[in-house]
Amino acid sequence: RKEVEQDPGPFNVPEGATVAFNCTYSNSASQSFFWYRQDCRKEPKLLMSVYSSGNEDGRFTAQLNRASQYISLLIRDSKLSDSATYLCVVNGRGSYIPTFGRGTSLIVHP
Amino acid sequence: EAGVAQSPRYKIIEKRQSVAFWCNPISGHATLYWYQQILGQGPKLLIQFQNNGVVDDSQLPKDRFSAERLKGVDSTLKIQPAKLEDSAVYLCASSLESLGGTQYFGPGTRLLVL
Repeated sequence: RKEVEQDPGPFNVPEGATVAFNCTYSNSASQSFFWYRQDCRKEPKLLMSVYSSGNEDGRFTAQLNRASQYISLLIRDSKLSDSATYLCVVNGRGSYIPTFGRGTSLIVHP
Repeated sequence: EAGVAQSPRYKIIEKRQSVAFWCNPISGHATLYWYQQILGQGPKLLIQFQNNGVVDDSQLPKDRFSAERLKGVDSTLKIQPAKLEDSAVYLCASSLESLGGTQYFGPGTRLLVL
């Protein structure tokens, strides 16, 4: 089993749709979790951290399920500008060593 | 606040040649990361520094890759000799926190090995 797994997609959704991605991780001792966004031919940028209690930032909601070892990202009211690759990052191998998933591609169409 | 700087932005070399990449992290950031990102995949951590010490280099192909972070600031990543499969984007990131914090990425260096 890979350390961090994501469905590569693409998820193809219309504007205004709600879409959710999951990211599973294998190390139960993992300590911190993040979602990054990466546009085509650009560097990854932090979208949001994922807290144990769950957290929301506008249209974006991130949740952590430690029992089932996954994190999720929910995007409500999708915009064309949300089209990107969403990378999950799990810190926990050794001394907070970060491991990225392969990313999930989202395409929002008119 | 200035971001993470990397150079060069693009590099084309032939296999068996050598190449070096440079990274200047955000001022004050203790932790510096080098990643390799192959098309269609997520970034793969090559090496992580905290100040000028190595935290993890378990995925660095040490027979051909080397990295250093002199004085705990700038860093260089070298490949010698390059192979075709080294064609990728090499990303540098830095983090203010010592462990597990938010990473800020540079624009990357696109390497093509012919």
